Amino acid sequence: DAKTTQPPSMDCAEGRAANLPCNHSTISGNEYVYWYRQIHSQGPQYIIHGLKNNETNEMASLIITEDRKSSTLILPHATLRDTAVYYCIVRVVGNNFNKFYFGSGTKLNVKP
Amino acid sequence: NAGVTQTPKFQVLKTGQSMTLQCAQDMNHNSMYWYRQDPGMGLRLIYYSASEGTTDKGEVPNGYNVSRLNKREFSLRLESAAPSQTSVYFCASTRGTGYQPQHFGDGTRLSIL
Repeated sequence: DAKTTQPPSMDCAEGRAANLPCNHSTISGNEYVYWYRQIHSQGPQYIIHGLKNNETNEMASLIITEDRKSSTLILPHATLRDTAVYYCIVRVVGNNFNKFYFGSGTKLNVKP
Repeated sequence: NAGVTQTPKFQVLKTGQSMTLQCAQDMNHNSMYWYRQDPGMGLRLIYYSASEGTTDKGEVPNGYNVSRLNKREFSLRLESAAPSQTSVYFCASTRGTGYQPQHFGDGTRLSIL
């Protein structure tokens, strides 16, 4: 069973904010949400992660709803180089296991 | 900074041949992972090793075996390759404690004819 669902594709104008949604309605209380992106079939690149509070770093912001059933990744000023597939991931940690569950990803097309 | 290194980068096999994909990390990470990515799809976990000396199945383990050789190295073996195993294979590692992110290698592109 998929732990996350994402729209298959989105468009964004260069210089505008890109808001990428993710549903994770079955997430448990101690499971983190991670976002990665993949450019041209390279290895996925880490962007940001969070549990329940909103997070911000130099790349992006992560907004998690209060019920934790969904989140949004925000790229504040998208550039052409941000064109990539963005993955929303749930991390499950337990006694001697530590798994990351990838969704199918959203292809973000940043257009001039 | 090498990070996660995968070898080879490309490989073509014939059906029935065997092959081992190598992965090494130099970040002193405890946990290591093997994923496969089929065209247009997300990553699916094949096997993982939460710590040295342990391995566990992921979502799609059939047809594969793994060895956690030491803390640095985690190999993936195809004993009898099948065309359905044509894919891009990614290795990843993470500290395993706390909630540090995974670091990925550049992938091995494997074609089975």
